[in-house]
Amino acid sequence: DAKTTQPTSMDCAEGRAANLPCNHSTISGNEYVYWYRQIHSQGPQYIIHGLKNNETNEMASLIITEDRKSSTLILPHATLRDTAVYYCIVRDYSGAGSYQLTFGKGTKLSVIP
Amino acid sequence: NAGVTQTPKFRILKIGQSMTLQCAQDMNHNYMYWYRQDPGMGLKLIYYSVGAGITDKGEVPNGYNVSRSTTEDFPLRLELAAPSQTSVYFCASKWEGAPTDTQYFGPGTRLTVL
Repeated sequence: DAKTTQPTSMDCAEGRAANLPCNHSTISGNEYVYWYRQIHSQGPQYIIHGLKNNETNEMASLIITEDRKSSTLILPHATLRDTAVYYCIVRDYSGAGSYQLTFGKGTKLSVIP
Repeated sequence: NAGVTQTPKFRILKIGQSMTLQCAQDMNHNYMYWYRQDPGMGLKLIYYSVGAGITDKGEVPNGYNVSRSTTEDFPLRLELAAPSQTSVYFCASKWEGAPTDTQYFGPGTRLTVL
């Protein structure tokens, strides 16, 4: 069962910030939120992850609400190469110390020239 | 490092044929995964391995088999190909115990069963 909810698609003008929302209202206290993206016909690529605090790396920023029920991935200056499907994932525990990532349908972000 | 490599890139099978999808990683990762992705859908986990000699089923294991005789290789076997197995197959690996749960993915194998 999907633990996250994302919009099906979004558009963003090139050079502007892309803000991709994700709802994860059933997240538990020790579960991380992960973001991956998949450019057409390629394997998924890790972007960023977080637990409680906001996080930033060279690719993006992750803003997590105080109640942790939702988060937003921010691409500060979207380029055409950022056109991809973006997956918000709450890490599942599959037993025996093994964690799995469950990929839903994600948000298809189209960056418009 | 080459990262995660997969062969072949494309393959067409007839119903009932068998084949092995190859996956290798040179990052000394202990965990490896096989996913399939149907058109317009997310990835579904087929099998995974936490180390050489240890494998376990994912969400959609029926019709597939795996083995992990070395740390580097994790082949996926289709014994009797069916049209429902037409999909893109991705292999991934990670180091369990790293501060992040970052999986590194291969480029995929596009399989068509006719």
